Amino acid sequence: EAGVTQFPSHSVIEKGQTVTLRCDPISGHDNLYWYRRVMGKEIKFLLHFVKESKQDESGMPNNRFLAERTGGTYSTLKVQPAELEDSGVYFCASSQGLSYNEQFFGPGTRLTVL
Amino acid sequence: AQSVTQPDIHITVSEGASLELRCNYSYGATPYLFWYVQSPGQGLQLLLKYFSGDTLVQGIKGFEAEFKRSQSSFNLRKPSVHWSDAAEYFCAVAPNYGGATNKLIFGTGTLLAVQP
Repeated sequence: EAGVTQFPSHSVIEKGQTVTLRCDPISGHDNLYWYRRVMGKEIKFLLHFVKESKQDESGMPNNRFLAERTGGTYSTLKVQPAELEDSGVYFCASSQGLSYNEQFFGPGTRLTVL
Repeated sequence: AQSVTQPDIHITVSEGASLELRCNYSYGATPYLFWYVQSPGQGLQLLLKYFSGDTLVQGIKGFEAEFKRSQSSFNLRKPSVHWSDAAEYFCAVAPNYGGATNKLIFGTGTLLAVQP
């Protein structure tokens, strides 16, 4: 069974540009989470989808971040326009069924904003 | 606000030595507690979790952790470290476990290096 995959693995962009990160959860997992780790800091929750609906987006930093999960399968996280402080590693996780089941994490996308 | 503290940013141990990674949490009730490990180029992998019951929990790869309510701690231990254990370890809390969302609150991580 394939795990959680994320694309790209690395992205380097200029300040003001747009970047879209993609996450493919484990097949059949209704719950999809986005987290972010800024250099040297803790991993922080961004938002939680249940199927295609946003269950909790309390961790989204501001309106430059837009997450979607069309059809309840893969998810995208768009940053527009990117700022220097958006640099970090963005992790995606998915879990099956009830929200308290184990979250399986992807390898992350390392975003660098210059 | 809930928080997780991992006081050791970087630890180096010799192969075969014992290991203890510290984790303290700040939360009103007893939260649900987790340890994750991230090896280079990999996603976070769950080592073990504590929900209730026996305060000593066993995990994968020979790891165990002990929940101590009086100290608000959930330290991770391994009796004999292997070179393959070199990785970054994260303690996490789920303050709303079983609720509508299961967001995790993480510590800053402890990077473990293993000397031959």
